[in-house]
Amino acid sequence: GESVGLHLPTLSVQEGDNSIINCAYSNSASDYFIWYKQESGKGPQFIIDIRSNMDKRQGQRVTVLLNKTVKHLSLQIAATQPGDSAVYFCAEKEDFGNEKLTFGTGTRLTIIP
Amino acid sequence: NAGVMQNPRHLVRRRGQEARLRCSPMKGHSHVYWYRQLPEEGLKFMVYLQKENIIDESGMPKERFSAEFPKEGPSILRIQQVVRGDSAAYFCASSKAIGELFFGEGSRLTVL
Repeated sequence: GESVGLHLPTLSVQEGDNSIINCAYSNSASDYFIWYKQESGKGPQFIIDIRSNMDKRQGQRVTVLLNKTVKHLSLQIAATQPGDSAVYFCAEKEDFGNEKLTFGTGTRLTIIP
Repeated sequence: NAGVMQNPRHLVRRRGQEARLRCSPMKGHSHVYWYRQLPEEGLKFMVYLQKENIIDESGMPKERFSAEFPKEGPSILRIQQVVRGDSAAYFCASSKAIGELFFGEGSRLTVL
């Protein structure tokens, strides 16, 4: 849904612990989902993606889970490091042939040393 | 192999002036997207262009905003008669015909 300008949700995690960031999407026609990481003053950086015909995908230290029944997406980061501190956005799109993305509000992750 | 290049990185304008933001896509990329980000919010789609064509401008305000991606040179996002509400970070992304979007570092517009 549309952001109304509220402060970003925040999550603080001890270094070395695992973190889970959640995202709810609204468009049941979306068939492709991406997680982005955005550090302060920088552009979004691709982390991991997943198609709607999958429910789980793993990368290096990251796992994305997709639950289409409840339109929910999560990003799990294992063994967090200080460099993981950033704002994380989920993004969705309907048509794989058009790269137009709809971004979620974002979650600010802070790793506590 | 340079990424998506945006300039200027920071731009200050007074109300009523014009802002021009430039984006050079990655080498080999012919698709360009512009997004706007307000503080503490996600990115909002504005426009999708291919060389010399606007494919989707559903996110562009009806007035004062325009975008182009000429045959030669960078894509330009132009904002005429800027107002304080235009203050935001404007991100450009590029892709091949189908594929991952690569984002630039953004242009931060401040309207005084």
